[in-house]
Amino acid sequence: AQSVAQPEDQVNVAEGNPLTVKCTYSVSGNPYLFWYVQYPNRGLQFLLKYITGDNLVKGSYGFEAEFNKSQTSFHLKKPSALVSDSALYFCAVRDPGNYQLIWGAGTKLIIKP
Amino acid sequence: GAGVSQTPSNKVTEKGKYVELRCDPISGHTALYWYRQSLGQGPEFLIYFQGTGAADDSGLPNDRFFAVRPEGSVSTLKIQRTERGDSAVYLCASSLGGAAGETQYFGPGTRLLVL
Repeated sequence: AQSVAQPEDQVNVAEGNPLTVKCTYSVSGNPYLFWYVQYPNRGLQFLLKYITGDNLVKGSYGFEAEFNKSQTSFHLKKPSALVSDSALYFCAVRDPGNYQLIWGAGTKLIIKP
Repeated sequence: GAGVSQTPSNKVTEKGKYVELRCDPISGHTALYWYRQSLGQGPEFLIYFQGTGAADDSGLPNDRFFAVRPEGSVSTLKIQRTERGDSAVYLCASSLGGAAGETQYFGPGTRLLVL
């Protein structure tokens, strides 16, 4: 069965420090991987995705993510965190043979000034 | 351009009542998805439309849930005989053509509370 795991419910980072939000997945075949961000009382906003090609993908607001096939991971990273990055982050995977996105439970990112 | 819109933003109803939730996708997007998000969880897939037809409704939890998209644009999610467990945020997303690598763009959601 397809699944996505975000092992950390919450990540705390000081402003200016690098941040990592972890995601691992289990899916048959070559997955399509996505990161979304959700601010309070707002919809999910797309950050970035991996479809094929370079394992390091760059997205919105300075975020990037690295696809690691051997570790089945797709961790979200940013070199220097901003307080405004504080939000709920979701990793999602799509098996090319299916129509639906399978989602992790989300990681709350808190950036402290 | 305009994003995905959903109405109402909030809906409070009583157990046993019928509700309709509306989604207006991005213009020109043929693929439309409904998800349900409970507190503290990631979204859960409900149904996918390609044009007017439901290409995958495997996520609908039971026959009280039904969705339509009669003209291939606006979609309505219908819930009959609501139960307290139906309380959640119902999210709608659209994408250009439905290909697996396409980005799905989400609306702000409808927060449903069943008393």
